[in-house]
Amino acid sequence: DTEVTQTPKHLVMGMTNKKSLKCEQHMGHRAMYWYKQKAKKPPELMFVYSYEKLSINESVPSRFSPECPNSSLLNLHLHALQPEDSALYLCASSHTGAISGNTIYFGEGSWLTVV
Amino acid sequence: QKEVEQDPGPLSVPEGAIVSLNCTYSNSAFQYFMWYRQYSRKGPELLMYTYSSGNKEDGRFTAQVDKSSKYISLFIRDSQPSDSATYLCAMSGGYNQGGKLIFGQGTELSVKP
Repeated sequence: DTEVTQTPKHLVMGMTNKKSLKCEQHMGHRAMYWYKQKAKKPPELMFVYSYEKLSINESVPSRFSPECPNSSLLNLHLHALQPEDSALYLCASSHTGAISGNTIYFGEGSWLTVV
Repeated sequence: QKEVEQDPGPLSVPEGAIVSLNCTYSNSAFQYFMWYRQYSRKGPELLMYTYSSGNKEDGRFTAQVDKSSKYISLFIRDSQPSDSATYLCAMSGGYNQGGKLIFGQGTELSVKP
């Protein structure tokens, strides 16, 4: 079982709704990530947090708003999404030291459908 | 040209076959090489991790990295129906070099009983 836990597993939301995806890890990792994955495509990086600070934003639209309350938690706030935002949203974490490279561990994902 | 190229398949083999999955890449700064297995409607699961060139074996799985040819492989021996999944190669220059993980397109594997 993965040590990165995501909730909810499934979410259906309307285009005017506000919702949040949540992620938790207890591996002592100090880097956490949000990825988006469409069917039959590899994961696409959205955001990277390093030591609770946003270090990479891959030009993601502002309707996606990440938050890292502490070293174990990562949230993704969703507002005014479009149907094309429907996808599997993956949280991941990794060590930050050079010796461990960038081995990323993924959660099971949250399936988002925007109607 | 993509930084990482991976044949998307699909690849269908009989149970017990040896499976070879491959990726090529263009960025010589990549030092960390990973293979992920992703079952349908699940998150990617880290299968193998290799630093720099060489081989690594774990049970029925062997990962090979040839940095001189910019080519990595994953071999699955005695393949089982439970190995049916999408296999993603991924690589990076390491966290201290930006940390971004670059994925291949994924190869869909089906092992028939």
